[in-house]
Amino acid sequence: SQKIEQNSEALNIQEGKTATLTCNYTNYSPAYLQWYRQDPGRGPVFLLLIRENEKEKRKERLKVTFDTTLKQSLFHITASQPADSATYLCALDEANTGKLIFGQGTTLQVKP
Amino acid sequence: GAVVSQHPSRVICKSGTSVKIECRSLDFQATTMFWYRQFPKKSLMLMATSNEGSKATYEQGVEKDKFLINHASLTLSTLTVTSAHPEDSSFYICSARESGRPNTEAFFGQGTRLTVV
Repeated sequence: SQKIEQNSEALNIQEGKTATLTCNYTNYSPAYLQWYRQDPGRGPVFLLLIRENEKEKRKERLKVTFDTTLKQSLFHITASQPADSATYLCALDEANTGKLIFGQGTTLQVKP
Repeated sequence: GAVVSQHPSRVICKSGTSVKIECRSLDFQATTMFWYRQFPKKSLMLMATSNEGSKATYEQGVEKDKFLINHASLTLSTLTVTSAHPEDSSFYICSARESGRPNTEAFFGQGTRLTVV
């Protein structure tokens, strides 16, 4: 069956450190993968999209990698800040449907 | 960036009544919109795909008669929870992508917290 799995436990780090979140998938062959941020009681907000032919993508303090052999994406936040505390979701498109399917999310807590 | 507006943000209703939730794309057209449901500390569960001018397609296990979806225009989709019961209490979120740009990011509404008492 198809699965998208993220770190199931919350991730607690100290301010200034790099947070690394993982997203693994099985029985998908995505052309691209997306990462979203969700704050409590709010809808998700798009952060980054990476295509299968891109190994890495950056946006300010964010970096995403995509390894189609390992079927894994890593999401990094460098120089983390308490304001980065949120739940981060990875998502894949279900082939040719336009539907976005989400992992369960990883909750990041950055402590000052 | 593009904006999706969802209304209301919170609603409390009595068991047996129906509740309508609206999802509007404010500055782009969306032939397709998506409705999700989210339980506390859980991920988004796709309920249905709303198609402008045609019937919605529902995910397995989602009752189409319970969750009525209408996509009357290129900028508006509505979800009606009919004969609501306490187990329908949840966080409902809509999303849309710009028409003709399927392989891009999705824009989400603010979500609707439904409480059925």
